[in-house]
Amino acid sequence: KQEVTQIPAALSVPEGENLVLNCSFTDSAIYNLQWFRQDPGKGLTSLLLIQSSQREQTSGRLNASLDKSSGRSTLYIAASQPGDSATYLCAVNFGNEKLTFGTGTRLTIIP
Amino acid sequence: DTAVSQTPKYLVTQMGNDKSIKCEQNLGHDTMYWYKQDSKKFLKIMFSYNNKELIINETVPNRFSPKSPDKAHLNLHINSLELGDSAVYFCASGTGPPNQPQHFGDGTRLSIL
Repeated sequence: KQEVTQIPAALSVPEGENLVLNCSFTDSAIYNLQWFRQDPGKGLTSLLLIQSSQREQTSGRLNASLDKSSGRSTLYIAASQPGDSATYLCAVNFGNEKLTFGTGTRLTIIP
Repeated sequence: DTAVSQTPKYLVTQMGNDKSIKCEQNLGHDTMYWYKQDSKKFLKIMFSYNNKELIINETVPNRFSPKSPDKAHLNLHINSLELGDSAVYFCASGTGPPNQPQHFGDGTRLSIL
């Protein structure tokens, strides 16, 4: 069964610190992996997309890595800001035309 | 400018009613999706349409019927609403090939009284 897991479910970090969010998946035969951000009561904002042939993608203070062999991806956020507070969702495309989502990590940046 | 737009944003109705949620995308994408986010914030695919044809139908009760009049629109009709249908429903679109990101609407918050 193809599953995506995100641990921890919640994380609090002082402002300014660097942090890493984790995502693991059960099937290494993936097409791509996408990181999203969801603010309370809002929709999903796509942050980064990593293709199966890539090891990492960067956008500003965000860096996402992919290790298919171990079934893991990380989202690194540098110099965290209060505005980074949100729920971060990892979603995997296992090649079956749909995204399988993790349960998310609720991130709180403490000013 | 909105890429994927859903209406209504909020929907409050009584059990047993029939309701529809509309979705439109102006990205020129071939594929559109409906996802459900439950009270525990878990997102799960419901349906996927490619060029107006159904390609994914997860184990969703047949009270839920998607309709795609053209590839820019995918509406969701729900008959005989039940308490367990309360959730946030997200529409998304993509280019179909699995190497492009999906774009999501802001969601429709459905509450069943």
